[in-house]
Amino acid sequence: QQPVQSPQAVILREGEDAVINCSSSKALYSVHWYRQKHGEAPVFLMILLKGGEQKGHDKISASFNEKKQQSSLYLTASQLSYSGTYFCGTEILTGGGNKLTFGTGTQLKVEL
Amino acid sequence: GAGVSQSPSNKVTEKGKDVELRCDPISGHTALYWYRQSLGQGLEFLIYFQGNSAPDKSGLPSDRFSAERTGGSVSTLTIQRTQQEDSAVYLCASSYGYNEQFFGPGTRLTVL
Repeated sequence: QQPVQSPQAVILREGEDAVINCSSSKALYSVHWYRQKHGEAPVFLMILLKGGEQKGHDKISASFNEKKQQSSLYLTASQLSYSGTYFCGTEILTGGGNKLTFGTGTQLKVEL
Repeated sequence: GAGVSQSPSNKVTEKGKDVELRCDPISGHTALYWYRQSLGQGLEFLIYFQGNSAPDKSGLPSDRFSAERTGGSVSTLTIQRTQQEDSAVYLCASSYGYNEQFFGPGTRLTVL
């Protein structure tokens, strides 16, 4: 079942912060975050494994609340290069191996 | 090669024809994934390979779609009797185990 992302779209001024949420109705093994710029392939940002960990690099970080089956992506002091569509991918373990189901995406636009 | 490659980059075909899309994953990557992305939409999971076997084919939209992987490397996605609703960008990704997925540039399929 497809995870639900919110918001669907957000416009920021450069330097502002944003939070993108991802919720699932199923118990998750991990959450993946990807960013896709227009006309390009998705690019990996980070993976969070169950255990409630938080990860980050540069000014982009994420958390994973296993009990709530939610993950949030935090973008601080946004830059123009952050513009794109952000997808969360939720992973559940099946008898046949892992499978990522992606959300519908959050369009982020950073303006001057 | 350095990354995942896909061919052709663009394919225009007539309704009812068969098409083959090819994916060359990163050398050594055990897992290979096919996704479909319609204009402005999210990533729709099609099929996943671990080695040459496909433990999860649940995403294939109909029996017109099939995929195989040989030698634990190259994969081919075949669509028979194409329909206009098959028009989309078909993305391939590979990973080593349950890790970051590296996406190829995609094949844009247009069915007239």
